[in-house]
Amino acid sequence: GESVGLHLPTLSVQEGDNSIINCAYSNSASDYFIWYKQESGKGPQFIIDIRSNMDKRQGQRVTVLLNKTVKHLSLQIAATQPGDSAVYFCAEAGRGSSNTGKLIFGQGTTLQVKP
Amino acid sequence: EPEVTQTPSHQVTQMGQEVILRCVPISNHLYFYWYRQILGQKVEFLVSFYNNEISEKSEIFDDQFSVERPDGSNFTLKIRSTKLEDSAMYFCARKDSLRNSPLHFGNGTRLTVT
Repeated sequence: GESVGLHLPTLSVQEGDNSIINCAYSNSASDYFIWYKQESGKGPQFIIDIRSNMDKRQGQRVTVLLNKTVKHLSLQIAATQPGDSAVYFCAEAGRGSSNTGKLIFGQGTTLQVKP
Repeated sequence: EPEVTQTPSHQVTQMGQEVILRCVPISNHLYFYWYRQILGQKVEFLVSFYNNEISEKSEIFDDQFSVERPDGSNFTLKIRSTKLEDSAMYFCARKDSLRNSPLHFGNGTRLTVT
């Protein structure tokens, strides 16, 4: 069935270390993926996206990796800062999204940054 | 800053009452969405709205829900007879284009049904 999920509910890292947040998806037909950051009391905030014709995309301090063979998506955050503490969601363009633009979200990973 | 403004930020209502949640996009866009998030859970799709019509809705979006854009600006979600399980954060989102573009969310309305 159609599902997007994350491997770990909580990730705790030391300030300054690199963080890696993982996501597994099941719909091999998905061709667009997004990472969102959600801080307490706020809506999901767009971080970075990637299309299925790419394996890697870099932003400012963030990198998204896509492995279509094993249907795995990861978000790497370099030099993690206290402000990075939040819940991180991956999302995919679901089945039929070419007509509606609907995104399907995973469960979320809570990133805790220790000072 | 969010690219859509949602009002109210918090709505408390009694079971069986009707509520209307509002969303105002900052700029003129065509593709709008409502999602909800029960406390501690993932963000769930409710409905997509394009050109003043529903383009897709989820199983959650049953007959008690409706959406409209009455004045070409505000985008509303109405829940006719609220239930306890409707308590959640409700997020409005807009999209720049239909394919391969992210959703941009508002900060949500927290609905509490008592």
